Amino acid sequence: NAGVTQTPKFQVLKTGQSMTLQCAQDMNHEYMSWYRQDPGMGLRLIHYSVGAGITDQGEVPNGYNVSRSTTEDFPLRLLSAAPSQTSVYFCASYVDPRTQYFGPGTRLLVL
Amino acid sequence: AQSVTQLDSHVSVSEGTPVLLRCNYSSSYSPSLFWYVQHPNKGLQLLLKYTSAATLVKGINGFEAEFKKSETSFHLTKPSAHMSDAAEYFCVVTIQTGANNLFFGTGTRLTVIP
Repeated sequence: NAGVTQTPKFQVLKTGQSMTLQCAQDMNHEYMSWYRQDPGMGLRLIHYSVGAGITDQGEVPNGYNVSRSTTEDFPLRLLSAAPSQTSVYFCASYVDPRTQYFGPGTRLLVL
Repeated sequence: AQSVTQLDSHVSVSEGTPVLLRCNYSSSYSPSLFWYVQHPNKGLQLLLKYTSAATLVKGINGFEAEFKKSETSFHLTKPSAHMSDAAEYFCVVTIQTGANNLFFGTGTRLTVIP
């Protein structure tokens, strides 16, 4: 099992550009989440999914879109990147919220 | 609503001395509590978790934490710090059922002095 994988590991964008952060899991977990990590803020929930075709907003959803067409994949889309979206992004998958598996993270810099 | 407060943003200890990282929680329901560790430029690793069984929880690498409902605390301890313990530590809460997600504290950076 690869667990939770994220690509790319690092990305630099210019303001206004769009991109998709990829997240995949091979554990057949029903639930998946996206978090962002900022200095002094801990991790904050962006969006989450309770199954294929079902997504919902977390604490900081503005500027991000998600979809869940398959159980395995949960991409995070930035339609028009802003410097405020400079952060480290973590994807997680789980069956039980008490045992979440995190990916290695994507470091995003928006200039 | 669920939340955690990590009382120290930075803790510095000498190698071989005890470690105490403090966490208080707030939860409207029976909480599950966790400690995660993040080494520099690495992902998150689960250290230990409390899920309503024994109140003293032992984790990896010699860490343990005690759930104290009366004090709404879940402090992380280790008897003797090692250089490899230097990292960021996050206290996390969730409720025990449903698709609810994790609520993270703001983190405590542990520095270990040789």
